[in-house]
Parts: sequence; structure tokens; C-alpha cells
Amino acid sequence: NAGVMQNPRHLVRRRGQEARLRCSPMKGHSHVYWYRQLPEEGLKFMVYLQKENIIDESGMPKERFSAEFPKEGPSILRIQQVVRGDSAAYFCASSGTGTDQPQHFGDGTRLSIL
Amino acid sequence: SQELEQSPQSLIVQEGKNLTINCTSSKTLYGLYWYKQKYGEGLIFLMMLQKGGEEKSHEKITAKLDEKKQQSSLHITASQPSHAGIYLCGAVSGGAQKLVFGQGTRLTINP
Repeated sequence: NAGVMQNPRHLVRRRGQEARLRCSPMKGHSHVYWYRQLPEEGLKFMVYLQKENIIDESGMPKERFSAEFPKEGPSILRIQQVVRGDSAAYFCASSGTGTDQPQHFGDGTRLSIL
Repeated sequence: SQELEQSPQSLIVQEGKNLTINCTSSKTLYGLYWYKQKYGEGLIFLMMLQKGGEEKSHEKITAKLDEKKQQSSLHITASQPSHAGIYLCGAVSGGAQKLVFGQGTRLTINP
């Protein structure tokens, strides 16, 4: 079984451009989570989605960031008009349904802003 | 909000030695996860603990959750170079699905 697949692994953008990060959950998983790991900081929750629904976006910055998990296709984390401070590793996790289901993580996308 | 404190922040041990990493929560833990992260890679799920007093083992790694469900420990027996990495504890935050993580413990194994 394939694990959580994230692409691209590395993404370089210039300030003001848009960044799109993709995440395909593990087979059978319908819950997707996005986390951000800033340099020298811990892993922070951003958003939790199920198919076509945002369940919890309490960790998302108020502006420029959006996430979706459409009925078909991967989950997308979109960052508009990127700034230097957006440089970080972005991790996606997925889980099955139930409170006893662990979250499994992808290898992350390293975003660098020039 | 819930906070997790890991200790030590970094640890250097000789190959073959035992070691313990601790994770202390500011609130009662409803689900405690241990992950391992290698530099530049994602998090590898190790174990999940939910019940007070619960203990789980996988190969040479044992994780425990105390009876009061506010502290967990990860113990590695006879450490090997493959155990090197950053160990993270994560907890379910309240009734939500999101995880709150500790700052991590960087483990180095000297041959």
C-alpha cells in the first residue's frame, strides 16, 4: 500500500508568486491534515479536511492560505503571493475514521521563497 | 491550549546503551503519539497510547503512558545507529482531531 504522497518534494518560488502543494492520502483514508514546520520551530497544525469539507482551519493564517480536498483528486494547499516567511516544510497527514486511528505523514514539501 | 514539553532536547548515547525520552503535557492526554523524523524526511508513526497505564512495544522501543495520562516516556533498549533521528510526541488537542507536538528530541548514536 502506498503511503501518503506529497508533491513536489521541493518547490522554489519568488516573492509574490503562488505555491500549490499536493497531497494524496493513504488508500482508504478520508481525513487529511496539513502541518507546517518552520525553521527551528516545531510542527504546527494548519487545517483538517474531509472530502469536500473543511472541518478545522484554526491553524491557517487568515490571508493568502487556502486548502481544499475535492471529491476527486488530491488535497491542495494553496499559498498566494508568497513571502519569505512562508519558507518552511509543509507536511500532509491522513487517517482513517475513528479516534483510535493514527495520522500517517507524507515526506513533506520543502518550500523556499527567493 | 495544550502544550507538550519534551526532555531532553538532545541526547547523545553510545551504541548499545539504553535511553529514555520524556513527554509531559499541560493537560490530560486523550491520545499520545510517538513519531520519528529523519532530517529532510517525513514523520514515521511509532506508537499510539490512549489508556492510563498503557504500555506498548515494537522491536526495541517501548512507550508508556502514566496513570494520570499527563506524561509519556519512550525507552530504547540496546540502541543502534538506525535509532538516530528526531523523536516527536504528539497529542490530540481536546476533542479535536488536530495534533499538538512537542519540540522534539534529537537523538545521536555514537558507534
